[in-house]
Amino acid sequence: AQKITQTQPGMFVQEKEAVTLDCTYDTSDPSYGLFWYKQPSSGEMIFLIYQGSYDQQNATEGRYSLNFQKARKSANLVISASQLGDSAMYFCAMRDTGTASKLTFGTGTRLQVTL
Amino acid sequence: GAVVSQHPSRVICKSGTSVKIECRSLDFQATTMFWYRQFPKQSLMLMATSNEGSKATYEQGVEKDKFLINHASLTLSTLTVTSAHPEDSSFYICSAKAGSPYEQYFGPGTRLTVT
Repeated sequence: AQKITQTQPGMFVQEKEAVTLDCTYDTSDPSYGLFWYKQPSSGEMIFLIYQGSYDQQNATEGRYSLNFQKARKSANLVISASQLGDSAMYFCAMRDTGTASKLTFGTGTRLQVTL
Repeated sequence: GAVVSQHPSRVICKSGTSVKIECRSLDFQATTMFWYRQFPKQSLMLMATSNEGSKATYEQGVEKDKFLINHASLTLSTLTVTSAHPEDSSFYICSAKAGSPYEQYFGPGTRLTVT
């Protein structure tokens, strides 16, 4: 069974600083996908970044980058130059390798960006 | 980008009544849609996978007779909470699977309160 672990229930970061949100995963499948989503207080889930298990390079999307360490089974999200609007819940998720493409989510990390 | 809508965004109903939540993919066709449930300050838990033209696949522990899912067209899936009770109060989020293997777009969610 797939499992996602986010050990940081809450994080604080000062505006303009970088922050790393931790995510570790467990799966026996050789092929899998890892996602990060942002959920602001409005509740919508906003896709941030994706990393495939066979991707050679770490994924980047603007200020977001994914520090993928396959041997350690970790997929940490790095947010550079934090902005006040980055304050939200962040969820790491793993995609099922079957055709259904189900997502399994971690428990989330609440990020608060301060002045 | 692809847009998924949900209706209603908020609903309050009395215990014992049924509530229908709609999930629509507005600018793409989705053969597969997913329904998630999120309790306050918790993660998203997959309830069921909805496939157009066939019966939904429910996750373990989810009562299929209580949470009726209908995916009648390529752009619409509905979740009906039958004989709702206060413990069914939650945030229900749908997502729709789009073209590429990892793209899954989320609706804005529906907050259900059962009194």
